[in-house]
Amino acid sequence: KAGVTQTPRYLIKTRGQQVTLSCSPISGHRSVSWYQQTPGQGLQFLFEYFSETQRNKGNFPGRFSGRQFSNSRSEMNVSTLELGDSALYLCASSLGPGLEETQYFGPGTRLLVL
Amino acid sequence: GDSVTQMEGPVTLSEEAFLTINCTYTATGYPSLFWYVQYPGEGLQLLLKATKADDKGSNKGFEATYRKETTSFHLEKGSVQVSDSAVYFCALTRGYQGAQKLVFGQGTRLTINP
Repeated sequence: KAGVTQTPRYLIKTRGQQVTLSCSPISGHRSVSWYQQTPGQGLQFLFEYFSETQRNKGNFPGRFSGRQFSNSRSEMNVSTLELGDSALYLCASSLGPGLEETQYFGPGTRLLVL
Repeated sequence: GDSVTQMEGPVTLSEEAFLTINCTYTATGYPSLFWYVQYPGEGLQLLLKATKADDKGSNKGFEATYRKETTSFHLEKGSVQVSDSAVYFCALTRGYQGAQKLVFGQGTRLTINP
């Protein structure tokens, strides 16, 4: 079974631009979560989607948003990029609430904001 | 709120040495506990997990036991190899009906010298 895939793997943007990252979960997984990893703050939860609905959201500004499609694929968007948004963005999928909650991670998208 | 504390790194050992990475947690209810490993330039890989008190997770020679009385989930391996060099993250999540949100420790960088 294929793992979690994320595209693109690397991205360079400039301040003020916006970016969209994509995540395809493991087949049969309906829950997708996003995390930001930085050297200073470590791994922080961004949000979780299940059945096209955002179930949980971390403590990030409104510039960070996401969505989930009917096939469980998810996208996250960051608008008005800031230098501090440079990070590794990780997507994880799981079967969903009430089921096995183990999350499996993709390889990440490394975003550099100049 | 929920939190995870890991022993500070970096940790440097010689090949075939015994490894312990300490992890303690603070959480209400009955969290599930995980160890993830991150190799350079990659996403997170699930190493092992435990979902209830006294459970022992094991994989690839690594073990960790869920100790509710000491709120700990220490990672151990009897004989490390150079290929075990990576960053190790301890994490928790709430039970099946809870939020699908992982709370991570700060990570412990492990280097094994031949």
